[in-house]
Amino acid sequence: NAGVMQNPRHLVRRRGQEARLRCSPMKGHSHVYWYRQLPEEGLKFMVYLQKENIIDESGMPKERFSAEFPKEGPSILRIQQVVRGDSAAYFCASSPGPPLGYGYTFGSGTRLTVV
Amino acid sequence: GENVEQHPSTLSVQEGDSAVIKCTYSDSASNYFPWYKQELGKGPQLIIDIRSNVGEKKDQRIAVTLNKTAKHFSLHITETQPEDSAVYFCADGGETSYDKVIFGPGTSLSVIP
Repeated sequence: NAGVMQNPRHLVRRRGQEARLRCSPMKGHSHVYWYRQLPEEGLKFMVYLQKENIIDESGMPKERFSAEFPKEGPSILRIQQVVRGDSAAYFCASSPGPPLGYGYTFGSGTRLTVV
Repeated sequence: GENVEQHPSTLSVQEGDSAVIKCTYSDSASNYFPWYKQELGKGPQLIIDIRSNVGEKKDQRIAVTLNKTAKHFSLHITETQPEDSAVYFCADGGETSYDKVIFGPGTSLSVIP
C-alpha cells in the first residue's frame, strides 16, 4: 500500500549534465503533477500529466525541461544541461483525477543539487 | 491569472495557544481549497480541505473557514502542540478536478513549548 514513490531522494549533478527524476503514483491514481520548491519558497506548478498525455505544462520552462508519463512505468521529469538555478526540491503528486475527486498525495521529493 | 496570497509568512505561538493563517485567492470560479502541512525534509501532506458549498469545516483541533464572497479562507489550529510546528500551505484547487492546484507561499509555524 505504498504512497507516491519518488527516486532518487537526493541527486547531485554537475553543470551541463542531465537529471532524470522518477515518480510512481499511488495505486489507482492516473494523474501526476510535478512541482518545484526553491529553498524557503512555496510550491510552483510545473506540469500535469495523465497516462501518455500532457494536460497542462504551463509552469514548465520551454527549454531543457520535459516530462512524460508512459503507458507503463513511472513518470519522468527530465532536465537537460542543468544549471545552478535548477537546484531545488522537486515534488511529484498524484490523484485519482476526475470524476473521482480531488486531493493530491505528494511524494517525499527529489532534492537536486547542481554543482 | 491565478494567485494565492497567504499571511503571515512566519508565526510563533506558545504551546496551548491558537494559531490562525489567512489566505486570499483571485479566481472567483474556484470552489475547492485544501491545506497542506510540510515538515522538514518531507513532502506536503493534506490536512484538511473545504468546498465552497460549506462555510466551515472542523477536524479535531483544526478548522477551516471560507468566505467565498470576499475570496478569503483561513486555517485555525487550537491548543497547539510542538508537533504542529511545520510550514503550512493554503491552496486554490480550482473549479473542477481537472484544474491544477495553486499554492500560497507558505506560513512557517513554530510552537514554543
